[in-house]
Amino acid sequence: NAGVTQTPKFRILKIGQSMTLQCTQDMNHNYMYWYRQDPGMGLKLIYYSVGAGITDKGEVPNGYNVSRSTTEDFPLRLELAAPSQTSVYFCASSYGSPGNQPQHFGDGTRLSIL
Amino acid sequence: GENVEQHPSTLSVQEGDSAVIKCTYSDSASNYFPWYKQELGKGPQLIIDIRSNVGEKKDQRIAVTLNKTAKHFSLHITETQPEDSAVYFCAASNMDDKIIFGKGTRLHILP
Repeated sequence: NAGVTQTPKFRILKIGQSMTLQCTQDMNHNYMYWYRQDPGMGLKLIYYSVGAGITDKGEVPNGYNVSRSTTEDFPLRLELAAPSQTSVYFCASSYGSPGNQPQHFGDGTRLSIL
Repeated sequence: GENVEQHPSTLSVQEGDSAVIKCTYSDSASNYFPWYKQELGKGPQLIIDIRSNVGEKKDQRIAVTLNKTAKHFSLHITETQPEDSAVYFCAASNMDDKIIFGKGTRLHILP
C-alpha cells in the first residue's frame, strides 16, 4: 500500500517557467490537499478537494491552480514560477473532512525557483 | 479566524527524560486536535489525536492532554529515545471544518 505518492522529489525552475507537481493516492480517500511548508512557518493550505470534480481555495492559493478529474489524482500547477514559490510542497489525503479525520501526507516536493 | 500557537520552537532534552510541547488555540468551536511528527526529508505523520470529549489520551510513551476551558493542549513524550528527534506539529480544527497547524517544535534528543 503506497499511500500518498508525490513526484518529483526535487525540482529547480527558472523564474517564469511552469510545472505540475503530481500527487496520487491509493486509499480511495475523497479529500485531498496541497500545502506549502516554509522554514519556521508550519503548513499553509494552498488548495483542497472534497471529491472528483470539486476544488476550492485554501489560505494561500495565488499563483497556483489545481484539478481533480479522478479520486486518485490531484495535480498542482504553477503557471509563472516566482522566487516566492520556493518551498517544500506536501500533498495529503483524508477519508473524511479535515476537521475530524487525520490526514495522510506524501514525502513532499522540494522546489527552488531561481 | 483560528490561530494555533505552539511552544517552544526548539526543545533539547537528555535521552531518557520527558519532553512536553504546548499549544493554544483560539476557536472555541475546535473539537479535533491531531499531532504530527515530521522526520527529516519526510512528510508529517500522525502520531496521536484527541477529540474534545476526552481530556487525555495515551499511546505507549506518548500522551496528549486537552484543557478546553483554557483552550490549550499538550504533547508529552516519556523516556525519550534518539528516534524521537524530529519536528512535531500540533493542529486544531476550526468552525469551517478545516485544520490549522502550529508552526512546529524541533525536538533534539541529546545522548
